Amino acid sequence: GNSVTQMEGPVTLSEEAFLTINCTYTATGYPSLFWYVQYPGEGLQLLLKATKADDKGSNKGFEATYRKETTSFHLEKGSVQVSDSAVYFCALSPIHTGNQFYFGTGTSLTVIP
Amino acid sequence: NAGVMQNPRHLVRRRGQEARLRCSPMKGHSHVYWYRQLPEEGLKFMVYLQKENIIDESGMPKERFSAEFPKEGPSILRIQQVVRGDSAAYFCASSPDRAKNTEAFFGQGTRLTVV
Repeated sequence: GNSVTQMEGPVTLSEEAFLTINCTYTATGYPSLFWYVQYPGEGLQLLLKATKADDKGSNKGFEATYRKETTSFHLEKGSVQVSDSAVYFCALSPIHTGNQFYFGTGTSLTVIP
Repeated sequence: NAGVMQNPRHLVRRRGQEARLRCSPMKGHSHVYWYRQLPEEGLKFMVYLQKENIIDESGMPKERFSAEFPKEGPSILRIQQVVRGDSAAYFCASSPDRAKNTEAFFGQGTRLTVV
């Protein structure tokens, strides 16, 4: 089946610290992988995506690499800011049509000055 | 191109009333997904619809909940005889042709409070 396992939070970091949020997945075939971000009181926004193995998605200083061998898509940022405080969701979209998007449980990040 | 539009943003219902949540997908999108987010919890899949068809309703509670996506008009998530435990944020997402494996685009959600 399809599923996403995401690092549990909450995570609290100081400004300019390095961030890693782990995400691993189970899927048949080669799904597309996504990271979404949810700011307080808002809906989810796409942060970055990768559609095939070894692709690296990047946006706003965040990066994630599609690792087929370890079935992982870890989110990283070299220097976090207070404005990065949000909930981050890892997700996959299976290759076959007729399937939903599968989301992890979300990781809450708080960055303190 | 307007994004996914959900209304109302906030909805208050008394126990036993009906709640109707509306979702207009992005223009050109024919796939709609509903998710529920309980306080301090992640997203729970509820139902996946295409125009006039329910594709996957494995996340829908067996009773009181229903969803539709008619040929014309928005998708509707309907909750009959609401209870306090239905209080949550309900998010709708849409996507274009699924074969292209594009991302899902989310609305801002409807926050349902049952009093």
